[in-house]
Amino acid sequence: QQQVKQSPQSLIVQKGGIPIINCAYENTAFDYFPWYQQFPGKGPALLIAIRPDVSEKKEGRFTISFNKSAKQFSLHIMDSQPGDSATYFCAASSRLTGGGNKLTFGTGTQLKVEL
Amino acid sequence: KAGVTQTPRYLIKTRGQQVTLSCSPISGHRSVSWYQQTPGQGLQFLFEYFSETQRNKGNFPGRFSGRQFSNSRSEMNVSTLELGDSALYLCASSLTGQGNYGYTFGSGTRLTVV
Repeated sequence: QQQVKQSPQSLIVQKGGIPIINCAYENTAFDYFPWYQQFPGKGPALLIAIRPDVSEKKEGRFTISFNKSAKQFSLHIMDSQPGDSATYFCAASSRLTGGGNKLTFGTGTQLKVEL
Repeated sequence: KAGVTQTPRYLIKTRGQQVTLSCSPISGHRSVSWYQQTPGQGLQFLFEYFSETQRNKGNFPGRFSGRQFSNSRSEMNVSTLELGDSALYLCASSLTGQGNYGYTFGSGTRLTVV
């Protein structure tokens, strides 16, 4: 119930294309859904995040679509560039009994944007 | 504003040894969380510290422990290292760890156990 399922595992798109990464969850206690971008040798960096009472959020070329009833959310990258080539992780945050929160991560999507 | 600093960046240890990793959070951040990243298991929550207290712990054996100092810097320790402990260990800091979800990750410590 704590899992977050992410697909696809890898994705290759042409420059200017719109890669879409999908995630699904079961635990309705999740209350915050961030996306992280990770480059080799670096830690994950927060890209964009959404709360479950919002259906869509845009920040620059990145858009999250959220479907609460289906327990699914997705990341769209508009006008993708070679510099977007990285691993993307969806995550879901849950509150812990001791206070604080914990992030449950998806398995990651390796995106390659070709010229 | 300095980011989250983890030291060392790379470590090679032998099975059975112990290791200590260090994390300096962003100035003013009081919550420090640790995550283990491996190709097989992905990113998994280890534990979280706030005001020098461990508030939460993930499903890891007791060989994994940590602490937080009064300046919010944190260390994690792994004793009796096993080959399966080879991973990237990531530290994330946030203001309070609750209500504020702005976790900032460090670049990690790459631990290799041989």
